[in-house]
Amino acid sequence: AQSVAQPEDQVNVAEGNPLTVKCTYSVSGNPYLFWYVQYPNRGLQFLLKYITGDNLVKGSYGFEAEFNKSQTSFHLKKPSALVSDSALYFCAVRFDNTDKLIFGTGTRLQVFP
Amino acid sequence: DAGITQSPRHKVTETGTPVTLRCHQTENHRYMYWYRQDPGHGLRLIHYSYGVKDTDKGEVSDGYSVSRSKTEDFLLTLESATSSQTSVYFCAIRPDRAGQPQHFGDGTRLSIL
Repeated sequence: AQSVAQPEDQVNVAEGNPLTVKCTYSVSGNPYLFWYVQYPNRGLQFLLKYITGDNLVKGSYGFEAEFNKSQTSFHLKKPSALVSDSALYFCAVRFDNTDKLIFGTGTRLQVFP
Repeated sequence: DAGITQSPRHKVTETGTPVTLRCHQTENHRYMYWYRQDPGHGLRLIHYSYGVKDTDKGEVSDGYSVSRSKTEDFLLTLESATSSQTSVYFCAIRPDRAGQPQHFGDGTRLSIL
């Protein structure tokens, strides 16, 4: 079955340190991969996507993600975390020839001053 | 924001009553989606639409129906609400072009007592 996994419910990091939020997927075919962020009482906001091409994708607010086909992973990264990055992060996958996304269960990022 | 309005933003109702949630877009996008968000489950697709009067089921469609009589409006109806349908409901829209991300409204918090 096609699925997306975010293995960590919560990630804690000190401000100024690098952060990584993990995402792995199980799919047949070529996936389109997305990261979204959700702040309290708001909808999901698009951060970045991988469709094809360079495995390192840069997105909004200094975030980037690395697509690794052999490990079927698409981890979200940022070199230097900010307290304002504290939010809920979702990885999502869209599969070839479908109009639908499958979402991970979300990872809460907490950045401490 | 991507021109998506959900109404109402909050609703409390009783078991067995019908409930209709509205999603309105000003982007003229073909694709519209309804999701529910529950702790531990991420976002799960209820129904989606790929054009006026063209809809299809998602992974958690039981107990829900949808209608799309014009491009800008996508309605989600709970025919007879149950407590298990207490959730936060999100609408999303997506442009036609392949690989484009979905954009989300700010959600409707629905409580069924």
